[in-house]
Amino acid sequence: NAGVTQTPKFRVLKTGQSMTLLCAQDMNHEYMYWYRQDPGMGLRLIHYSVGEGTTAKGEVPDGYNVSRLKKQNFLLGLESAAPSQTSVYFCASSPRRGPQHFGDGTRLSIL
Amino acid sequence: QKEVEQDPGPLSVPEGAIVSLNCTYSNSAFQYFMWYRQYSRKGPELLMYTYSSGNKEDGRFTAQVDKSSKYISLFIRDSQPSDSATYLCAMSVISNFGNEKLTFGTGTRLTIIP
Repeated sequence: NAGVTQTPKFRVLKTGQSMTLLCAQDMNHEYMYWYRQDPGMGLRLIHYSVGEGTTAKGEVPDGYNVSRLKKQNFLLGLESAAPSQTSVYFCASSPRRGPQHFGDGTRLSIL
Repeated sequence: QKEVEQDPGPLSVPEGAIVSLNCTYSNSAFQYFMWYRQYSRKGPELLMYTYSSGNKEDGRFTAQVDKSSKYISLFIRDSQPSDSATYLCAMSVISNFGNEKLTFGTGTRLTIIP
């Protein structure tokens, strides 16, 4: 059982470039989430989805977009990467009532 | 002031010792309380999940919630080197959509010395 899978695991971008991070879950969970983790800041919610075709903003949404075209996938996009977006990005999923399960993260550096 | 406060450590204890990890919070609307363990270069892994005040035990781990004092703890008995990790507390409220919105502590880095 793979759980939550994130691709890619590592990426280096130049300022202004765009990219998409992919999250896939095989637990048939309704809800999916994108977080970023920075030293001293903890995990902060970027965007989340409560179902296919539905997304909502979290605590730090600026500079990011998301899409959930299929229940099992949740994509996080950076349209014009900035050095402040250098971070470790985690995807999570959960059932309607229950704890969130996390992937192993994507380490993103913006030069 | 952060909604959830957690001592970042680092905390080093000898193998076999009892470990106590703590978080305080200010939002009385928090309903669910969790502890996650995070190994280096890995995602957070759920350890304990509880709703009510009191103690919940799972093997060597005990989670304690005191809603009146807005304080939660995680105790690890007979600590092992494999327990060396960063421990994150998390608390949640139910959003308008019905899902849980988590607020995390910054994590405590724990090292168990053989």
